[in-house]
Amino acid sequence: NAGVTQTPKFRILKIGQSMTLQCTQDMNHNYMYWYRQDPGMGLKLIYYSVGAGITDKGEVPNGYNVSRSTTEDFPLRLELAAPSQTSVYFCASSYYGESGDEQYFGPGTRLTVT
Amino acid sequence: AQSVAQPEDQVNVAEGNPLTVKCTYSVSGNPYLFWYVQYPNRGLQFLLKYITGDNLVKGSYGFEAEFNKSQTSFHLKKPSALVSDSALYFCAVRGYGNNRLAFGKGNQVVVIP
Repeated sequence: NAGVTQTPKFRILKIGQSMTLQCTQDMNHNYMYWYRQDPGMGLKLIYYSVGAGITDKGEVPNGYNVSRSTTEDFPLRLELAAPSQTSVYFCASSYYGESGDEQYFGPGTRLTVT
Repeated sequence: AQSVAQPEDQVNVAEGNPLTVKCTYSVSGNPYLFWYVQYPNRGLQFLLKYITGDNLVKGSYGFEAEFNKSQTSFHLKKPSALVSDSALYFCAVRGYGNNRLAFGKGNQVVVIP
């Protein structure tokens, strides 16, 4: 199993541009998550999904959108990039969300907005 | 609301000495507690978790953690640190019935040869 994969690894965007961060998992997990990691701030939840067709906002959803059309894929869309969205983005998945299941993380996407 | 506090920004320890990384939590009801490790330019890797049962939990790479309900703590420990243990460590908590994980800000561990 590849686990959780993310593309691209790095990206530089200009202010106002748009992009989609891709995330795929091959573990047949129901739950998927998007986090952003800023230095000294830990991880903040952006959006999550409890299954195909169902998504919900996390702590910091503004400026982002998601969709979940399949169990495997959970892309994150940035519509109008702003410098405040410069961060490292991690996708994660778990079989169940409410139980003691641990989350599995992808390698991350480092995004710079200038 | 659920939250995690990791009071120290950085933990320095000599190789071969015991390593402790502190974590306290706040959650309604019974907690699910997790430790993750992050090496440079990598994603988070799961180390261990507490769900129920024995308060001492053993995990990967020789790490263990002790759940203390009265002190709402879940400190990570390793009896003898290795230089390769140098990394960023995150504690996380999820309350029973909650489908979101709350992470602490992370602790940088530096093991000095």
